[in-house]
Amino acid sequence: NAGVTQTPKFRVLKTGQSMTLLCAQDMNHEYMYWYRQDPGMGLRLIHYSVGEGTTAKGEVPDGYNVSRLKKQNFLLGLESAAPSQTSVYFCASSPPSGRARGTDTQYFGPGTRLTVL
Amino acid sequence: ELKVEQNPLFLSMQEGKNYTIYCNYSTTSDRLYWYRQDPGKSLESLFVLLSNGAVKQEGRLMASLDTKARLSTLHITAAVHDLSATYFCAVDIGSSGTYKYIFGTGTRLKVLA
Repeated sequence: NAGVTQTPKFRVLKTGQSMTLLCAQDMNHEYMYWYRQDPGMGLRLIHYSVGEGTTAKGEVPDGYNVSRLKKQNFLLGLESAAPSQTSVYFCASSPPSGRARGTDTQYFGPGTRLTVL
Repeated sequence: ELKVEQNPLFLSMQEGKNYTIYCNYSTTSDRLYWYRQDPGKSLESLFVLLSNGAVKQEGRLMASLDTKARLSTLHITAAVHDLSATYFCAVDIGSSGTYKYIFGTGTRLKVLA
């Protein structure tokens, strides 16, 4: 199993450009998440999804949109990139079925390093 | 405002020493997670703590949870260089079947040979 994969690994955008980050998981997990990680601030939840066709806002959703058209994929879109969105973006997934057993930890992808000039 | 605070933020320790990292959170939660992140890498799960009084151990690391005090600790015993990493705690604040995680700012640990 590949686990959680993210595409691309690095990207440089100019202010105002748009892009989509792709997250894919092959573990049949229901739940998927997008985080951003900034220096000294830990991870902050942007959006999450509890199943195909559903999405919800996290802590810092402004400026981002998401879609979960297929269970295995979770897309994060930036419609008009801003320098404040320069960050490392992590996708994660987790199995709700493991919640009762305490095995519902999140599995993280390798990250996408995004720079907005 | 919901806060998850870790201390210390930075920790430099000698090999063979013991130390504890603290994670305080400001809202009710009975689930807490610890993760490890190596520089430039992704996060790796260490522990899932489910209830008050939960204690888990893996190698030189032991985590505990006190939900009444809203405090979790990660204790390091006889540190070795390989434990050098950033450690994050995360609290599940979701309810009614939704799962939202708030992460602490992380503790950067450096173990000196």
